[in-house]
Amino acid sequence: DTAVSQTPKYLVTQMGNDKSIKCEQNLGHDTMYWYKQDSKKFLKIMFSYNNKELIINETVPNRFSPKSPDKAHLNLHINSLELGDSAVYFCASSRMGISGSYNEQFFGPGTRLTVL
Amino acid sequence: AQTVTQSQPEMSVQEAETVTLSCTYDTSESDYYLFWYKQPPSRQMILVIRQEAYKQQNATENRFSVNFQKAAKSFSLKISDSQLGDAAMYFCAYRSANFGNEKLTFGTGTRLTIIP
Repeated sequence: DTAVSQTPKYLVTQMGNDKSIKCEQNLGHDTMYWYKQDSKKFLKIMFSYNNKELIINETVPNRFSPKSPDKAHLNLHINSLELGDSAVYFCASSRMGISGSYNEQFFGPGTRLTVL
Repeated sequence: AQTVTQSQPEMSVQEAETVTLSCTYDTSESDYYLFWYKQPPSRQMILVIRQEAYKQQNATENRFSVNFQKAAKSFSLKISDSQLGDAAMYFCAYRSANFGNEKLTFGTGTRLTIIP
């Protein structure tokens, strides 16, 4: 069974369109993340949700809006797509522990978004 | 803010030989975790090894080991008996041990080529 799944795996769209990427985890985790990997392979956190509440928002344009309908899902909606949004988007999940405890982040397979 | 630096964009090694990938980081925190992730062409992010900052002993996982120098803020990965399947991008990553700040901060990656 897939632990963290993303749909779609590939997304090709025109500038100006609105698109969504879905993420689901079946690990029982309470924290989910979105990371962006750009064309130079640099990975950077975008958002983090814990129990459906936003806890990390790393200066991402407000065209990006994450939505967490429940603890197992974290979707990413992108409005007015731009060329610079072309990247691989990774979803991840973990169990948030007490301070000082370690909980591994499990990554999804990534969604390659290409904006033409 | 924490930063992670990988100064070797590319490395190559003969099959069965040993290679060391370098990573330095900057933080004002005393408790944190460090990781090495592998990203093969399939783009799946795979956790290779982790190190808790409070542990003096270097982590090892089969052919993979780290040299953790806390005072120097250095965290290198040694791969022994390199195999063709080790060819991938390798990312060094940092995570705070503070509750609610569990995002991963990545370095820019090192592309490892294995020469048969």
